[in-house]
Amino acid sequence: QSALTQPASVSGSPGQSITISCTGTSSDVGSYNLVSWYQQHPGKAPKLMIYEDNKRPSGVSNRFSGSKSGNTASLTISGLQAEDEADYYCCSYAGSSTYVFGTGTKVTVL
Amino acid sequence: QVQLVQSGAEVKKPGASVKVSCKASGYTFTRYYMHWVRQAPGQGLEWMGIINPSGGSTSYAQKLQGRVTMTRDTSTSTVYMELSSLRCEDTAVYYCARERSAYEFDPWGQGTLVTVSS
Repeated sequence: QSALTQPASVSGSPGQSITISCTGTSSDVGSYNLVSWYQQHPGKAPKLMIYEDNKRPSGVSNRFSGSKSGNTASLTISGLQAEDEADYYCCSYAGSSTYVFGTGTKVTVL
Repeated sequence: QVQLVQSGAEVKKPGASVKVSCKASGYTFTRYYMHWVRQAPGQGLEWMGIINPSGGSTSYAQKLQGRVTMTRDTSTSTVYMELSSLRCEDTAVYYCARERSAYEFDPWGQGTLVTVSS
């Protein structure tokens, strides 16, 4: 199972919007509405930000939103804030009780 | 509140085995699957496998088949991940994470650093 493809880095100024892509295949991202996104600050455990492609857990800011088209899922952060600077990972169910993570994206707030 | 507390850091020699524990609290242990995910230094997240705490059934990443074993102890609400035939490239932070409701991981344990070095 190959990792989902994400851009290595994305940057934006405070207040701007950025989008992180996550490209898989018809066997994972394209087959299930089960993409989740995680935020990870240095030295910390990942935190769930989006699940089931576009649902937000309670407590997560509505500045975070998810979408999907075909084999590519996306995470959009609007109104970028300094605290959003972190690594972000997508994850997809891949069938037969297996999962695959994305390669990860470092978000920098300029 | 839901909490996952993992065992402490380990240093192992190549060829040895390591067993990491993850103690759950704040919910009914047998109702939620548990996953293990690892992260090598400076690298991304890698899914390792899943265990059903109710019946003990497991599913492992193909890459780790034959070297990883996940078990659970329902009397202490603890899951375990044992990795054998350790190699230097197994050096990583190992996380347990509960599958919340629909194939997503929440919350996560604090992580356990396993260092493999001769």
